[in-house]
Amino acid sequence: EVQLVESGGGLVQPGRSLRLSCAASGFTFEDYSMHWVRQAPGKGLEWVSGISWNNKSTDYADSVKGRFTVSRDNAKNSLYLQMNSLRLEDTALYYCVKDSGFLEWLLHFDSWGQGTLVTVSS
Amino acid sequence: DIVMTQSPDSLAVSLGERATINCKSSQSVLYRSNNKNYLVWYQQKPGQPPKLLIHWASIRESGVPDRFSGSGSGTDFTLTISSLQAEDVAVYYCQQSYTPPLTFGGGTRVEIK
Repeated sequence: EVQLVESGGGLVQPGRSLRLSCAASGFTFEDYSMHWVRQAPGKGLEWVSGISWNNKSTDYADSVKGRFTVSRDNAKNSLYLQMNSLRLEDTALYYCVKDSGFLEWLLHFDSWGQGTLVTVSS
Repeated sequence: DIVMTQSPDSLAVSLGERATINCKSSQSVLYRSNNKNYLVWYQQKPGQPPKLLIHWASIRESGVPDRFSGSGSGTDFTLTISSLQAEDVAVYYCQQSYTPPLTFGGGTRVEIK
């Protein structure tokens, strides 16, 4: 069974940094691209970032480009999101998400974690 | 960026009746080379993460009841629940998987009338 467990969320002041982690199990992590998707309280879904299975390709939403960095450690079955220069509008539940494609980008998501809440407030 | 627009924002349907949700993309999500529409549907129940229902506009995921069906091509798509059950109360989102940045519709809340 696929399991994705996020951690690292919390309350942070505007302009500060936070690093999210996602521990993956139940599948061969190094064979799948991974993504972060966020959901502001009471709002819809927003794709944040994706990283290819082999670490060679990353992509970002315009709203976070230049501030967030996605990375992964295939030896540790882990996905990360380094978030710098946080803004009030980054407040959201951040989901770690598995791409459906085996050794390819299919860009749809067949497994989701429960999310970790990031609150940006002074 | 491709803008995804869903309608209606919410709908209330009687048990056993049909529910229809629409999704429109600002540009075509049909790849001519393989004739696939890169349109996805998710279901999100209260307090839960989204669940993948349908990809490539009409391909149901394993384990998804066959009362859920997807249709459409190009820029106009529909998710149909043929006979609404109580457990189908949720918010439904479409998403284009055609090109980054990946974008979602605003969601449609389905309730029991």
